[in-house]
Amino acid sequence: GAGVSQSPSNKVTEKGKDVELRCDPISGHTALYWYRQSLGQGLEFLIYFQGNSAPDKSGLPSDRFSAERTGGSVSTLTIQRTQQEDSAVYLCASSPPIGEQFFGPGTRLTVL
Amino acid sequence: AQSVTQLDSQVPVFEEAPVELRCNYSSSVSVYLFWYVQYPNQGLQLLLKYLSGSTLVKGINGFEAEFNKSQTSFHLRKPSVHISDTAEYFCAVSDLGRDDKIIFGKGTRLHILP
Repeated sequence: GAGVSQSPSNKVTEKGKDVELRCDPISGHTALYWYRQSLGQGLEFLIYFQGNSAPDKSGLPSDRFSAERTGGSVSTLTIQRTQQEDSAVYLCASSPPIGEQFFGPGTRLTVL
Repeated sequence: AQSVTQLDSQVPVFEEAPVELRCNYSSSVSVYLFWYVQYPNQGLQLLLKYLSGSTLVKGINGFEAEFNKSQTSFHLRKPSVHISDTAEYFCAVSDLGRDDKIIFGKGTRLHILP
């Protein structure tokens, strides 16, 4: 079956604009994660959804960042009033109740 | 809360030499353990995983890892590295019985020297 997909693959925006990044997880996966990876850096955890539980938002860097997961499937990460330091690759991953995460290809965000 | 420590941010190794990348996690009753690899300019892929059973786990590309519960470690090893093993390696742990959230270490960059 299909893997985790993310769109767009690349996004260039101007400072101060809002952006929405989309993640389509693998069907049946209960958990969904968003990470941020800056050039040459590790994974920065942003948010974690697990089933119907309240999301773990402990990694969101500021209140400009928010995410939702509709119907336990598709997720959207929204960044308001983008700043240059938001430039990074945003990765989405999903996982079944038992087992590893499957990562999407990422969205490369560039804020000019 | 669970935490994962990868002590070495970078490891240089000569080609065909053995390598060990270290991973320790904070103590827990029951965990799942993973190693992921990220080749230059590519996405993350699973190298190997421990869910249950044998504590010695074999993965792709000749890598293996051993789960040591008493030392809360899951070190990654390869007996002979190749230039193609140049990559970033991430250890990850899922703490069962809590929120099952998978936590990543900061990564170890493996440099293969000719």
